[in-house]
Amino acid sequence: EAGVTQFPSHSVIEKGQTVTLRCDPISGHDNLYWYRRVMGKEIKFLLHFVKESKQDESGMPNNRFLAERTGGTYSTLKVQPAELEDSGVYFCASSQDPLVVNEQFFGPGTRLTVL
Amino acid sequence: SQKIEQNSEALNIQEGKTATLTCNYTNYSPAYLQWYRQDPGRGPVFLLLIRENEKEKRKERLKVTFDTTLKQSLFHITASQPADSATYLCALDRGSYIPTFGRGTSLIVHP
Repeated sequence: EAGVTQFPSHSVIEKGQTVTLRCDPISGHDNLYWYRRVMGKEIKFLLHFVKESKQDESGMPNNRFLAERTGGTYSTLKVQPAELEDSGVYFCASSQDPLVVNEQFFGPGTRLTVL
Repeated sequence: SQKIEQNSEALNIQEGKTATLTCNYTNYSPAYLQWYRQDPGRGPVFLLLIRENEKEKRKERLKVTFDTTLKQSLFHITASQPADSATYLCALDRGSYIPTFGRGTSLIVHP
């Protein structure tokens, strides 16, 4: 069974540009999460989808970040316009109902560099 | 403020020995505590979960203890192997099923 996949693996953009990250969760996982790790810091939660609905977006840093999950399958995270401090590794994770199995499966991450 | 502390210095041990990693936390009342493994260029991989009312959990060569009085978890790998070399992340969850991660400790097992 395929794991969580993320695209692209790396992205280098200039300040002010737009970037869209994609996450394909494990098939059948209704729960999808986005996290970010800024250099030297811990992995931090951004938001949580249940199917196509945003369950918790308390970790989103500001309105330059927009996450979508149309149809409840794959998700995109758009950063527009990108700033230098947005550089980091963006992880996506998916899970079954955590009340049943409290385990998240992480993708390999997208390394974003904003110059 | 809430804080999760893991030793930032790498832990170097010899193959066959037991590795012990520490996770301390403050200003936090977790319902669950999780340990993850992360290899370079990869995402975290879930290893073990322990609940606040559990003292110890084992899985093959792994053992986790959870002391809510000391606000500390210990993560042990027995009979360590070079393939166990990785960064190990502690994560706390207050019951929202959203883990809050520590920065991780790097483990290096020498042959």
